[in-house]
Amino acid sequence: KQEVTQIPAALSVPEGENLVLNCSFTDSAIYNLQWFRQDPGKGLTSLLLIQSSQREQTSGRLNASLDKSSGRSTLYIAASQPGDSATYLCAVKSSNTGKLIFGQGTTLQVKP
Amino acid sequence: EAGVAQSPRYKIIEKRQSVAFWCNPISGHATLYWYQQILGQGPKLLIQFQNNGVVDDSQLPKDRFSAERLKGVDSTLKIQPAKLEDSAVYLCASSPFNEGQETQYFGPGTRLLVL
Repeated sequence: KQEVTQIPAALSVPEGENLVLNCSFTDSAIYNLQWFRQDPGKGLTSLLLIQSSQREQTSGRLNASLDKSSGRSTLYIAASQPGDSATYLCAVKSSNTGKLIFGQGTTLQVKP
Repeated sequence: EAGVAQSPRYKIIEKRQSVAFWCNPISGHATLYWYQQILGQGPKLLIQFQNNGVVDDSQLPKDRFSAERLKGVDSTLKIQPAKLEDSAVYLCASSPFNEGQETQYFGPGTRLLVL
């Protein structure tokens, strides 16, 4: 059974810092891994999607990596801003079941 | 392009009452999903439709939850009777198909509080 874990559960940093969010998964049989952002009271917005054959994806100040063999992904946020404050969710799409399995999220606060 | 629409946005009911949520996916999206997100957790899939057929409802508590997608477009999720532990955000998502490569697009969710 696929399990997705995110560490840390919460993170508070001063504005301008570079930071890394971690995601681990137990089953390497995945189609892809996705990072989402969730603002309070809002739905999920997809940030980056990494196919199982890829190692990383970049979008602006965000860079996500995938190491399928070790079951790990990281989301790197450069030069953090208060507007980056949100909950970040990692999800893997199982190639066995086709389901999207989510981690519990990391709540990020960037202080001005 | 309009996103996934959900209503109502908020609902407060007492336990043992019934409640229904509505979702209108992105136009042309064949696959529709309902997720339950309990506070502090990631979303958990309740049911997945492909057009108007059920693909996966293995995690749907069928003794109290039901869902339908008539005509393969919009969908309703119903809880009858509600329990305290059903308090959560119910998210609807859609995707063009379910071949593994595409992303899912999420609606804003319906926040349910059961008292």
